[in-house]
Amino acid sequence: EDQVTQSPEALRLQEGESSSLNCSYTVSGLRGLFWYRQDPGKGPEFLFTLYSAGEEKEKERLKATLTKKESFLHITAPKPEDSATYLCAVQAEGNKLVFGAGTILRVKS
Amino acid sequence: DAGVTQSPTHLIKTRGQQVTLRCSPKSGHDTVSWYQQALGQGPQFIFQYYEEEERQRGNFPDRFSGHQFPNYSSELNVNALLLGDSALYLCASSRTGYHGYTFGSGTRLTVV
Repeated sequence: EDQVTQSPEALRLQEGESSSLNCSYTVSGLRGLFWYRQDPGKGPEFLFTLYSAGEEKEKERLKATLTKKESFLHITAPKPEDSATYLCAVQAEGNKLVFGAGTILRVKS
Repeated sequence: DAGVTQSPTHLIKTRGQQVTLRCSPKSGHDTVSWYQQALGQGPQFIFQYYEEEERQRGNFPDRFSGHQFPNYSSELNVNALLLGDSALYLCASSRTGYHGYTFGSGTRLTVV
């Protein structure tokens, strides 16, 4: 069964304190791994799609990487506005996305 | 360019009632998927519609049904509501042949 596990469940950082979020997955036939940002009461906002091991993508203070078993979302010098829940999802057979439970990030100034 | 539009934004229903949620996909998108997100959890796939047919379904009972219209908009219907159906219901649209999914802001359903 396709499964996504995210860690940690919650992360508190000081402004400027870099860190990484982890997404471990087991899936038959990975068609893509997605990172989304979700603010309270809102829908997920697309960040990145990764397709193959070794691939990396960057956007402002965020960088996503992918191996055959996991993905990392690296946050460099975070700001309070980066506070949100970060969701990881895999696209397997068919088109459905299988999501992890998310990591709640809080950045304090 | 409007993104994915969902209505209503909030809804309160009584146990046993029926509810219909609506979704208009992003312009240029032809596929609509529905997800249920319980508090503190990631979204769970309910089903996907393409060319007005249900193409894939997750592990949800038959009380959950849907429809897609010729203009690609979609409805999610839930019958015989249970307290456990309380959640944020998300609609995501995509374009055939592309892997990008755009989510709406969701409908918050509360069953009392």
